[in-house]
Amino acid sequence: EVQLVESGGGLVQPGGSLRLSCAASGFSFSNSWMSWVRQAPGKGLEWVANIKQDESEKYYVDSVKGRFTISRDNAKSSLYLQMNSLRAEDTAVYYCARVELWSVLFDYWGQGTLVTVSS
Amino acid sequence: QSALTQPASVSGSPGQSITISCTGTSGDIGSYNLVSWYQQHPGQAPRLVIYEGNKRPSGVSTRFSGSKSGNTASLTISGLQAEDEAVYYCCSYAGFNTFVYVFGPGTRVTVL
Repeated sequence: EVQLVESGGGLVQPGGSLRLSCAASGFSFSNSWMSWVRQAPGKGLEWVANIKQDESEKYYVDSVKGRFTISRDNAKSSLYLQMNSLRAEDTAVYYCARVELWSVLFDYWGQGTLVTVSS
Repeated sequence: QSALTQPASVSGSPGQSITISCTGTSGDIGSYNLVSWYQQHPGQAPRLVIYEGNKRPSGVSTRFSGSKSGNTASLTISGLQAEDEAVYYCCSYAGFNTFVYVFGPGTRVTVL
């Protein structure tokens, strides 16, 4: 059974940092591109970042470039999102997802972890 | 990065068919038949229902189908059922030669 389990969310002050983790199982993590997708409360989905299997390619939405860093540890089947200089508008549920890059599809999703940026 | 447009809401009676549109530009949807569609029920993670414009993942009902014309992709749900009530999102490349993606704003489907 495929599982993606996010953790690390919580309340953080504006300007602060947070690191999200996603533990994967049930599929070949090391052979998969991975993504983070977020959803602000009551709003739609927003793609955040993609990372290649060997970390040699990373892509970000403009609004997080220079502040967020996606990374992975294939030995631990884990995906990460380091979030710095957090803003109120980064408040969202963050989902970890497996992505088929060329087909633009997210086939496996976690249940998400909530990040709240507020003073 | 480009933006996709979807109607805010669509409704239909049980058994009817509905169609949700997703309009982009010649630089995204118009250039590729690679639109994917996701169904999201309240409090749940999104679920893939259509990919590469018109393909269904294993386990997705044949009542879901996709198509494309020009810069607009469409998701059709036939034989509408109460369980289809959800928000539906389209997703595409954000432009040429990029692995940056964009989601549509979502369409709330109501079963009357």
